[in-house]
Amino acid sequence: AQKITQTQPGMFVQEKEAVTLDCTYDTSDPSYGLFWYKQPSSGEMIFLIYQGSYDQQNATEGRYSLNFQKARKSANLVISASQLGDSAMYFCAMRDIGGGADGLTFGKGTHLIIQP
Amino acid sequence: DAGVIQSPRHEVTEMGQEVTLRCKPISGHNSLFWYRQTMMRGLELLIYFNNNVPIDDSGMPEDRFSAKMPNASFSTLKIQPSEPRDSAVYFCASSFGQAGTQYFGPGTRLLVL
Repeated sequence: AQKITQTQPGMFVQEKEAVTLDCTYDTSDPSYGLFWYKQPSSGEMIFLIYQGSYDQQNATEGRYSLNFQKARKSANLVISASQLGDSAMYFCAMRDIGGGADGLTFGKGTHLIIQP
Repeated sequence: DAGVIQSPRHEVTEMGQEVTLRCKPISGHNSLFWYRQTMMRGLELLIYFNNNVPIDDSGMPEDRFSAKMPNASFSTLKIQPSEPRDSAVYFCASSFGQAGTQYFGPGTRLLVL
């Protein structure tokens, strides 16, 4: 079974500072994918970034980067130069990619608030 | 390009009534997923389809829940009869391929009185 742990229920960060949201995972599957989603107060789930278990380099997407440490089973999201619009819930998720299509297992999320 | 489309966006119903939620996946995507989000349980997978075939429905809470995917562009999640504990946000998501990123619809906020 897969498990995602997000240990930060909430975070307050000053605007323009960098933010690191923690995520650790557990799985026995050798092939898996790690995802981060953003859920603003409006409720939609927005895909941010993806990291495959065999990817050699850390994934980056604009201001988002994923600090992937396979041996530690961690996949922290880093947001550079935070903005007020980054205030939202952030969910880490994973899925097995070794077989057929599979559903995502989500963590409980981190509520990020960016302060001016 | 249109994203995942869900309807209705909000549904308020009385206990015992039948509820039908609808989803249109992104064109070309061959996997479709139904999730439920509650404060107590977070986001949990209910069922998913691959090429219109149900693959895993182990997350469906009980027999009151059923899901169908009659073709590649349409899926329904039905609750009959509905109960207050079914109140939640129901998300539909789709992806292309086994390693594909899942893109979510806007969700249906269901309230059962």
